[in-house]
Amino acid sequence: DIQMTQSPSSLSASVGDRVTITCRASQSISNYLNWYQQKPREAPKLLIYAASSLQSGVPSRFSGSGSGTDFTLTISSLQAEDFATYYCQQSYTTPRTFGQGTKVEVK
Amino acid sequence: EVQLVESGGGLVQPGGSLRLSCAASGFTFSSYWMHWVREAPGKGLVWMSRINGDGSSTTYADSVKGRFTISRDNDTNTLYLQMNSLRAEDTAVYHCAREVAATGRSLDYWGQGTLVTVSS
Repeated sequence: DIQMTQSPSSLSASVGDRVTITCRASQSISNYLNWYQQKPREAPKLLIYAASSLQSGVPSRFSGSGSGTDFTLTISSLQAEDFATYYCQQSYTTPRTFGQGTKVEVK
Repeated sequence: EVQLVESGGGLVQPGGSLRLSCAASGFTFSSYWMHWVREAPGKGLVWMSRINGDGSSTTYADSVKGRFTISRDNDTNTLYLQMNSLRAEDTAVYHCAREVAATGRSLDYWGQGTLVTVSS
């Protein structure tokens, strides 16, 4: 199975901060990497697909980069509604493994 | 509007069975792979299973292989997860999700989830 490792597991930030979350795959997954946002008691929401493509309706402050094994999710200017948990997921092969999540909390 | 609504969760004893349903609307259900993903209390997302559009191909996580069965009814636009031999570690919120090939096989729509609690 492909292991997905996110870092950090949690971070504290303020509104307006630039936030970066990294995700590393245990083997190359090309660009089959997706990012999701989840808030408590809500369904996960797709933010970024294919490593760097912004899902329709998602604010442009979210961006993704990377290929192969190393990927990054960046929030250019954190907004109040962005405090949530973020997950990466590889869609290169099954099982479709997720990272352990990164919780973005208020500083 | 795409909607996915899960049902069928509840309290079940260890060793028991439960069948989850996911009612889909707002898209051509039979054209999409569908997935089940779960999140245990205080834990992250874990992929469980997937099924192709006509139901002829299924894949499972090792942790549920042989115990869980994914299926679909394209006439009623419903996805199912039959869960047998349930264990305490299967306690989780179970989400169904739609896969889109055109967006890197990402899961673009998710249901809110249904809670399964395995306890005596």
